[in-house]
Amino acid sequence: EAGVTQFPSHSVIEKGQTVTLRCDPISGHDNLYWYRRVMGKEIKFLLHFVKESKQDESGMPNNRFLAERTGGTYSTLKVQPAELEDSGVYFCASSSRSGGTSLREQFFGPGTRLTVL
Amino acid sequence: GQQLNQSPQSMFIQEGEDVSMNCTSSSIFNTWLWYKQDPGEGPVLLIALYKAGELTSNGRLTAQFGTTRKDSFLNISASIPSDVGIYFCAGRNTGKLIFGQGTTLQVKP
Repeated sequence: EAGVTQFPSHSVIEKGQTVTLRCDPISGHDNLYWYRRVMGKEIKFLLHFVKESKQDESGMPNNRFLAERTGGTYSTLKVQPAELEDSGVYFCASSSRSGGTSLREQFFGPGTRLTVL
Repeated sequence: GQQLNQSPQSMFIQEGEDVSMNCTSSSIFNTWLWYKQDPGEGPVLLIALYKAGELTSNGRLTAQFGTTRKDSFLNISASIPSDVGIYFCAGRNTGKLIFGQGTTLQVKP
């Protein structure tokens, strides 16, 4: 079974540009999460989709960030316009709503390292 | 908001030594989780704890869910070089995970 995949693995952009990150969750997982880790700090929650609906977007930093999950499959996270403080590693995770307790935990993708110059 | 304090921030140990790290919170969590992150990879779940006082092992790893539900610890016995990485604790009440700052572990052969 394929794990969570993220694209691109790295992105280097200039301040003011737009970047779109993509996440493909594990097939059949209804829950999809976005997290971000800024250098040396903790991994912070951004938002949570259940299928195509935003369940919790309390962690989104500001309105420069837009997340979508059309059709309830893959998700995109767009940053427009990017600022220096947006640099960090963006992780996507997915989980199932069925199965044993450990199977319902979140499985993480490898992350997208975003550098804003 | 909720925060987890994870310590130590980093450890540099000799192969074969035991390691202990812990997380504390001012808030109660229903679930405590321990993840490990290797360079260039995402966090991988090591152990999940669901009941206060629960002690769970996974090979050389042992973790406990504190009785107050505000803390957890992770022990690694007889460390080996592949234990190198960043270890994160995480607490959960609803869907989102609240992470600690991470413990960077380095093992000297």
